[in-house]
Amino acid sequence: DTEVTQTPKHLVMGMTNKKSLKCEQHMGHRAMYWYKQKAKKPPELMFVYSYEKLSINESVPSRFSPECPNSSLLNLHLHALQPEDSALYLCASSQDLTGAQPQHFGDGTRLSIL
Amino acid sequence: GESVGLHLPTLSVQEGDNSIINCAYSNSASDYFIWYKQESGKGPQFIIDIRSNMDKRQGQRVTVLLNKTVKHLSLQIAATQPGDSAVYFCAEYGYNQGGKLIFGQGTELSVKP
Repeated sequence: DTEVTQTPKHLVMGMTNKKSLKCEQHMGHRAMYWYKQKAKKPPELMFVYSYEKLSINESVPSRFSPECPNSSLLNLHLHALQPEDSALYLCASSQDLTGAQPQHFGDGTRLSIL
Repeated sequence: GESVGLHLPTLSVQEGDNSIINCAYSNSASDYFIWYKQESGKGPQFIIDIRSNMDKRQGQRVTVLLNKTVKHLSLQIAATQPGDSAVYFCAEYGYNQGGKLIFGQGTELSVKP
């Protein structure tokens, strides 16, 4: 079991739907991340939050909208997605952004866009 | 890590043998390195890390070696078991990379019983 919990595990949605992915950690970490991962590829960074503030946006299309309501929760709101957005979406957390420390990953949400 | 093309490199070993997974990293200013294991249907799991002021670090059945001269990182797994079958990613971190973790392309380890 991972210490980063992501829900739902699987999500199928149409291109006109609105849905949200959720991530929760109770390790007291102050940095949280969203990654996108295609099959047989490494994770690609999308967003970084530090102390509940957006720190990095890797030029992600606006149809992906992150939100960090508190230090334990991270959401990713989805709207008008495209078929190429089908992927595994991973959340991760780390103590903060100040130094050499590992990021801890959840098991992801497998997203399929019809 | 560096891109090595469209195909995921694969390493096939016999159960009980030692495995060595290699990674060439891209930034000479990177000062922290991590190995992750990703099993099918799961997220990357932290295995071991090493700072740039070290050249070797050992864990339980795993050893990471760092050669900064040639920007090379390796993961050695002793007495490989079927449960070690997974994709292994190296990742590098450096202060001049904006706090981002840069992942290598990954290697798929297959353990034959």
